[in-house]
Amino acid sequence: AQSVTQLDSQVPVFEEAPVELRCNYSSSVSVYLFWYVQYPNQGLQLLLKYLSGSTLVKGINGFEAEFNKSQTSFHLRKPSVHISDTAEYFCAVNPWNSGNTPLVFGKGTRLSVIA
Amino acid sequence: NAGVTQTPKFQVLKTGQSMTLQCAQDMNHEYMSWYRQDPGMGLRLIHYSVGAGITDQGEVPNGYNVSRSTTEDFPLRLLSAAPSQTSVYFCASRDSPSGANVLTFGAGSRLTVL
Repeated sequence: AQSVTQLDSQVPVFEEAPVELRCNYSSSVSVYLFWYVQYPNQGLQLLLKYLSGSTLVKGINGFEAEFNKSQTSFHLRKPSVHISDTAEYFCAVNPWNSGNTPLVFGKGTRLSVIA
Repeated sequence: NAGVTQTPKFQVLKTGQSMTLQCAQDMNHEYMSWYRQDPGMGLRLIHYSVGAGITDQGEVPNGYNVSRSTTEDFPLRLLSAAPSQTSVYFCASRDSPSGANVLTFGAGSRLTVL
């Protein structure tokens, strides 16, 4: 079975500072990896995903993530955050060739951008 | 707009009452699912369906019922509401069968059980 650990439940950061949200996963097989974002009072939407190929993945709103197979990590980064990035971020995993296996989510990291 | 529609957006129930949360999608997705979101717990899967007539349990199925009579609809029934079911509920769908496909979420239904 797969599991996801988001190492920080809350991350406060000043506007225009860089940020990294950490995600580690556990799986006995190769996986697909996702980051979703939830803005206040909204549903989740996809930020970026890693399926295969280049380990550096770029997403929307200037975010990027790097897949590190040896460390089983998929950390999310942004070089300069804006107030509008305040949201909850979820890392998620699905095994390759999983058919209809449900996506497994981490518990989320709440990013608060301070002016 | 194409997507996942959830109704109602807000609901208050008394303990012991029953109700149905509705979910409909117009993308012809085979896979649909229900999650609940609680502070500090992330999203936990309640039930999911891989096609009409097929449903399966997730991580926290107790107290909830589902059915899938059409591709478009996947209602979630609370049989006898309890305060522990106070939560925000999200319906999500994706084009099966690949796990590489992205989930599309509804806007959520906030349920309070008194």
